[in-house]
Amino acid sequence: AQTVTQSQPEMSVQEAETVTLSCTYDTSENNYYLFWYKQPPSRQMILVIRQEAYKQQNATENRFSVNFQKAAKSFSLKISDSQLGDTAMYFCASPPPGNTDKLIFGTGTRLQVFP
Amino acid sequence: GAGVSQSPRYKVAKRGQDVALRCDPISGHVSLFWYQQALGQGPEFLTYFQNEAQLDKSGLPSDRFFAERPEGSVSTLKIQRTQQEDSAVYLCASSRRIGNEQFFGPGTRLTVL
Repeated sequence: AQTVTQSQPEMSVQEAETVTLSCTYDTSENNYYLFWYKQPPSRQMILVIRQEAYKQQNATENRFSVNFQKAAKSFSLKISDSQLGDTAMYFCASPPPGNTDKLIFGTGTRLQVFP
Repeated sequence: GAGVSQSPRYKVAKRGQDVALRCDPISGHVSLFWYQQALGQGPEFLTYFQNEAQLDKSGLPSDRFFAERPEGSVSTLKIQRTQQEDSAVYLCASSRRIGNEQFFGPGTRLTVL
């Protein structure tokens, strides 16, 4: 069963604008990490940002920030001041129910940034 | 090298052939993961190791898939009697310890004809 859901298969945003990618997950654990990964076309997966579930403060990395709603099991990614180089597939990842050792990935959101 | 490396980067196999895919994790990383990524999809978990111990192989699609990490460093994913449905990108990732962020290699694109 899919435990990580990305409901937006494709998104587009104009350069310099802000875009939010959504993600919901399902885990029964109390302490865990959540991740957003970026996969540019024909290039390898790189980590964008991570959130520790026991921290209430939303993680921020330069132009990237998350809106973490633990009770709702929601973990959205906000990209501010979008740049052409942000064009990529974005994958949300969380541990599956009952296991914090491994990650389950969503199906991804294809983000296109246009001039 | 500083990152995770995988070889070969591309592999074309005839149906029925055996293939072996190699992963060199980041030095000192305890955990190593294998994923299968179909075109346009997210990575699907196959198996993972903590040092040389294979802790979970629940994602391996069939008994034709076998992974090992005998010395707790380099890992090999072997696929026997390849089928067309095995065509995918196989990603390897390593992390400092279980639960930490995973660092991915470039992947091996396997095409089975």
